[in-house]
Amino acid sequence: DQQVKQNSPSLSVQEGRISILNCDYTNSMFDYFLWYKKYPAEGPTFLISISSIKDKNEDGRFTVFLNKSAKHLSLHIVPSQPGDSAVYFCAASRNYGGSQGNLIFGKGTKLSVKP
Amino acid sequence: ETGVTQSPTHLIKTRGQQVTLRCSSQSGHNTVSWYQQALGQGPQFIFQYYREEENGRGNFPPRFSGLQFPNYSSELNVNALELDDSALYLCASSWTGGYGYTFGSGTRLTVV
Repeated sequence: DQQVKQNSPSLSVQEGRISILNCDYTNSMFDYFLWYKKYPAEGPTFLISISSIKDKNEDGRFTVFLNKSAKHLSLHIVPSQPGDSAVYFCAASRNYGGSQGNLIFGKGTKLSVKP
Repeated sequence: ETGVTQSPTHLIKTRGQQVTLRCSSQSGHNTVSWYQQALGQGPQFIFQYYREEENGRGNFPPRFSGLQFPNYSSELNVNALELDDSALYLCASSWTGGYGYTFGSGTRLTVV
């Protein structure tokens, strides 16, 4: 049973345009959500996160939106750059006594930004 | 900060053998987690160690075991290797009370 789902295995976007990556989750107990970026032969790199008490978090070109009622979050990248081409993983976790629990990952979306 | 380093980078083992993977956590991080990433999948949680004791485990059999040492380094041991154990194994460290994990580059294990 997959608790975190990324239904688009791949996404292709033109340089300068917006990239929107989507993620759905099933467990309403999740209270923290993260996006990681992964290049080949490297480990996942933290990109941006959002707490369940918020509905938006912005960091430069990256914005994450959270819709708790729909159990849906999305990552917007504006403007997209060729260096953004990577696999993006959505992850969720629960807080246990003030500490973050383990991460539950989606299968990832491969983003290709074309010049 | 030195980041999270893992060794070896690549490893080939025969079915039935045992393997030990190593991880050096980021300085100051007292929690270490291990994840398995099969081809085309997202990382899956194996277990987590805090202060040298296992304090969380995913859906992995007992032949997956680990150790955490006082210097924040850790090991993942897998006994009786199976072909399906072929995957990228990722180590991640964090500090208790914080959010976010720092991942190493992983060890690519191939079981033949």
